[in-house]
Amino acid sequence: EVQLLESGGGLVQPGGSLRLSCAASGFTFSSYAMSWVRQASGKGLEWVSVIYSGATPTYYADSVKGRFTISRDNSKNTLYLQMDSLRAEDTAVYYCANTQGAAGPFYFDHWGQGTLVTVSS
Amino acid sequence: HSALTQPPSASGSPGQSVTISCTGTSSDVGGYNFVSWYQQYPGKAPKLMIYEVSKRPSGVPDRFSGSKSGNTASLTVSGLQAEDEADYYCSSFAGSKNGALFGGGTKLTVL
Repeated sequence: EVQLLESGGGLVQPGGSLRLSCAASGFTFSSYAMSWVRQASGKGLEWVSVIYSGATPTYYADSVKGRFTISRDNSKNTLYLQMDSLRAEDTAVYYCANTQGAAGPFYFDHWGQGTLVTVSS
Repeated sequence: HSALTQPPSASGSPGQSVTISCTGTSSDVGGYNFVSWYQQYPGKAPKLMIYEVSKRPSGVPDRFSGSKSGNTASLTVSGLQAEDEADYYCSSFAGSKNGALFGGGTKLTVL
């Protein structure tokens, strides 16, 4: 059974940093692309970033480009999202998702339960 | 790139069919056969219901079906059941550098 478990969320001040982790199990992590998708309270889903199986390439939504960095450690079956220069509008539940697609994030077939990031002073 | 356009709400009685639309552009929905649909219950993670326009993952009832015409994709739920009441989101691939776009979501109510 595929399991994705996010951690690292919390309260951070504007301009601060946070690193999210996603521990994967139940599938061959190193063979799959992985994404982060976020959802502000009461709002829709927003794709944030994707990383391919060999850690490159990586792509980002314009809203986070230059501030967020996605990475992975295939030896630890773990996905990361380093979030810097955080803004109030980054407040959301962040989900990691197993991603299908050879040339981009075509679709997301398994999702974690999410971790809440709150950016506020 | 703007989000895909979905109606905010849809409804139907048990046993009826309901269709939810998802409108994009030729750079996303119309340009690729990589439209997917997700079901989300309150406080829960999304679940993949349809991928590549019309394919169903294992375990998804065949009451759920997808289609696409031009820049608009559709999700049809036939034989509505109470458990189908949830939020539904469409998504489309929008090119390697633009990644994926989502719709704003449609709240499906079973009357």
